[in-house]
Amino acid sequence: AQSVAQPEDQVNVAEGNPLTVKCTYSVSGNPYLFWYVQYPNRGLQFLLKYITGDNLVKGSYGFEAEFNKSQTSFHLKKPSALVSDSALYFCAVRAPGGYNKLIFGAGTRLAVHP
Amino acid sequence: NAGVTQTPKFQVLKTGQSMTLQCAQDMNHEYMSWYRQDPGMGLRLIHYSVGAGITDQGEVPNGYNVSRSTTEDFPLRLLSAAPSQTSVYFCASSYSVSGGWETQYFGPGTRLLVL
Repeated sequence: AQSVAQPEDQVNVAEGNPLTVKCTYSVSGNPYLFWYVQYPNRGLQFLLKYITGDNLVKGSYGFEAEFNKSQTSFHLKKPSALVSDSALYFCAVRAPGGYNKLIFGAGTRLAVHP
Repeated sequence: NAGVTQTPKFQVLKTGQSMTLQCAQDMNHEYMSWYRQDPGMGLRLIHYSVGAGITDQGEVPNGYNVSRSTTEDFPLRLLSAAPSQTSVYFCASSYSVSGGWETQYFGPGTRLLVL
């Protein structure tokens, strides 16, 4: 069965330091992987996705993610964190059965401290 | 474009009451879906639609009905609200229905409290 795991409920990082938000997945077939961000009292916003091609995917707001097939991971990264990056981050994978159904991880809260 | 809009923003219901959560998009998207968000569980798919007149169940459909009479609108109906339906509900849409690689656009959410 398709599934997504985000092993950390919360990640704390100092402003200016690099950040990593972890995601591992379990899929049958080729994985379509996504990262979304949710700011307080807002809907989810798309950050980036991996469909095929380069393992390093660049997205919005300076974020990038590294697809690692052997470790079944898709970790979200940013070289230098901003306080404004503080939000809830969700990793997602395409669900079986086609269409655009997504299976989401439980989410990781990122807190960037000044 | 207004994108994906949802009304109301917040609603309090008593157990057994019914209500409809509204969702509309003005991007001519074929695919629309409803998710619920609960703490520690991420988002779970309730129902989805691949076009006007076509709907199907997602992961957690019980207690909810949907219909899609137009491309723009995808209302979610709670027939008899239960406390277990207390959640934040998000509507999402994307341009095409197939492939699975489409970016989805989310509405701002409806926070529902069932007493």
